[in-house]
Amino acid sequence: NAGVTQTPKFQVLKTGQSMTLQCAQDMNHNSMYWYRQDPGMGLRLIYYSASEGTTDKGEVPNGYNVSRLNKREFSLRLESAAPSQTSVYFCASSETSNQPQHFGDGTRLSIL
Amino acid sequence: GENVEQHPSTLSVQEGDSAVIKCTYSDSASNYFPWYKQELGKGPQLIIDIRSNVGEKKDQRIAVTLNKTAKHFSLHITETQPEDSAVYFCAASRAGNQFYFGTGTSLTVIP
Repeated sequence: NAGVTQTPKFQVLKTGQSMTLQCAQDMNHNSMYWYRQDPGMGLRLIYYSASEGTTDKGEVPNGYNVSRLNKREFSLRLESAAPSQTSVYFCASSETSNQPQHFGDGTRLSIL
Repeated sequence: GENVEQHPSTLSVQEGDSAVIKCTYSDSASNYFPWYKQELGKGPQLIIDIRSNVGEKKDQRIAVTLNKTAKHFSLHITETQPEDSAVYFCAASRAGNQFYFGTGTSLTVIP
């Protein structure tokens, strides 16, 4: 039982490049989330999907897009990467909203 | 939106002593308060949680207390061990809404 799997684990991009971070969960959870973690700022929500077919903006959505591909998968896309998007990105899932969230081990993204 | 504040940002204790981390929240409608432990290079892992209809919850050496009137909740770790060294995050949420996390506490247990 893998839980929440994120790929890739590390990535270096140049400013202006695009990429998609992948997330998959095998717990049959309805809700999925994307966070970024920066030093001294805790975890900030980028986007979330309360259920398959829905997505909503979180606290810091600018510069990102998401796709809930199916119940298992929730991807995060950076269309034109900027140095300010250098961060550690975490995907999480929960059975429904307001339930314990299960996190992946993160994607460490550097933008030069 | 909700605002969660967490203190202290760093905490050092001797092995065997107790550690206490405190969080305050602003939204009186928040009703779910989880605590997460994050080890280096890993994602946060839930260690204990509490809902607003309960004032205290314990799980072995870990306990969480909630004061709804004052809008604060605390994590208590007793008989600390070196493997308790990590970053701890509190969070608050309510039904149909997103989680709001504190900024984290780096706990070091000195052998």
